[in-house]
Amino acid sequence: EVQLVQSGAEVKKPGESLKISCKGSGYSFTSYWIGWVRQMPGKGLEWMGIIYPGDSDTKYSPSFQGQVTFSADKSVSTAYLQWSSLKASDTAMYYCARVATISYLFDYWGQGTLVTVSS
Amino acid sequence: DIVMTQSPDSLAVSLGERATINCKSSQSVLYSSNNKNYLAWYQQKPGQPPKLLIYWASTRESGVPDRFTGSGSGTDFTLTISSLQAEDVAVYYCQQYYSTTSFGQGTKVEIK
Repeated sequence: EVQLVQSGAEVKKPGESLKISCKGSGYSFTSYWIGWVRQMPGKGLEWMGIIYPGDSDTKYSPSFQGQVTFSADKSVSTAYLQWSSLKASDTAMYYCARVATISYLFDYWGQGTLVTVSS
Repeated sequence: DIVMTQSPDSLAVSLGERATINCKSSQSVLYSSNNKNYLAWYQQKPGQPPKLLIYWASTRESGVPDRFTGSGSGTDFTLTISSLQAEDVAVYYCQQYYSTTSFGQGTKVEIK
């Protein structure tokens, strides 16, 4: 069974750094891209970008380029999303999702990680 | 960038009745070389992550009930729930994956 399990909710202050995780299981983790999707409170889905855990190739949405960093550790089948300096506007639910063999189609999703940034 | 626009933003339908959601893309998502529409539909129930329902505009994902039907081509698409069930209360999103990807703003489906 394909599963993506994300790390738990985080509460941070503006300016702090953060790294959240997404652990894949039940499939070949290095053979599928992983995408990240933001959902701000009460809002819709925004594509942030994707990473290929096999070689850590990344593609960022222009809206998020330079704002976040994707990484992956294939030895533990885990993808990461990190911020170096959080802002209040980063408060949102963040989902990881597996990209199907069809480009940019998300077939399995993690449960989401809620990030709250507040002073 | 391809902009996806859904209508309506919300709708209330009686149990057992039909629900229809529309999605329009700012440019065609039909790839001429394979004649496939790069359009998907997702369902997001309260407190849950999105779930893939339909891809290639009309192909149901495994396990999706056949009351969910996707149709359309080019720039205009429709998701139809033929007989609304209580468990179908959710927000539905269309997504194009023709050129990177983008989502519609979502349509909230409630029980009347």
